[in-house]
Amino acid sequence: DIVMTQSPDSLAMSLGERATINCKSSQSLLYSSNNKNYLGWYQQRPGQPPKLLIYWASTRESGVPDRFSGSGSETDFTLTISSLQAEDVAVYYCQQYHSTPQTFGQGTKVEIK
Amino acid sequence: EVQLVQSGAEVKKPGESLKISCKGSGYSFTNYWIGWVRQMPGKGLEWMGIIYPGDSDTRYSPSFQGQVTISADKSISTAYLQWSSLKASDTAMYYCVRHAVAGSVKSYFDYWGQGTLVTVSS
Repeated sequence: DIVMTQSPDSLAMSLGERATINCKSSQSLLYSSNNKNYLGWYQQRPGQPPKLLIYWASTRESGVPDRFSGSGSETDFTLTISSLQAEDVAVYYCQQYHSTPQTFGQGTKVEIK
Repeated sequence: EVQLVQSGAEVKKPGESLKISCKGSGYSFTNYWIGWVRQMPGKGLEWMGIIYPGDSDTRYSPSFQGQVTISADKSISTAYLQWSSLKASDTAMYYCVRHAVAGSVKSYFDYWGQGTLVTVSS
């Protein structure tokens, strides 16, 4: 199985600050045939199901604010929230869909300082 | 509008059987893989397995193989997750998810059900 490791486990930032979450996979998620990284990011607010934010490592889902961005390739990926808002308090998960079983990172909890 | 609507919360005793459901609407149910994701209390997300309703092709995570059964009834656009003998450790929220890319196993999840809370306690 591909192991996904996120860092940090939690972070507390002030409103308007930049938040960065890292995700490392134990194998490359890049398919050379289509040059796509099979990596997604999800946001789970308290008491709600997860919501898709980013797919193909850097494509923002429709309706997701542009303060959310994804980057990275092969084994190292980043989710950035450019200016943290109160509604961004949540747990964020990366997910690889390169191979089954699909696997998630352990989650990163984002709070307001 | 695409929707996945799951069955309601369940409280069961150890050893009992259970089947929970996920009804898809607003899209061609047979053309998209449907998966199940477990979230134990206060914990992260675990991929359990997927089914392609068009032909009932099913894949399981090794962690869940033999522990649960995933099925689908395409005539009523509904996928199922079932247990033959529940344990206390099955207590969790279970989400159904839709693969975003039609026909593809290698896909992210664009729609999630609201979740079904299963509580197993004597």
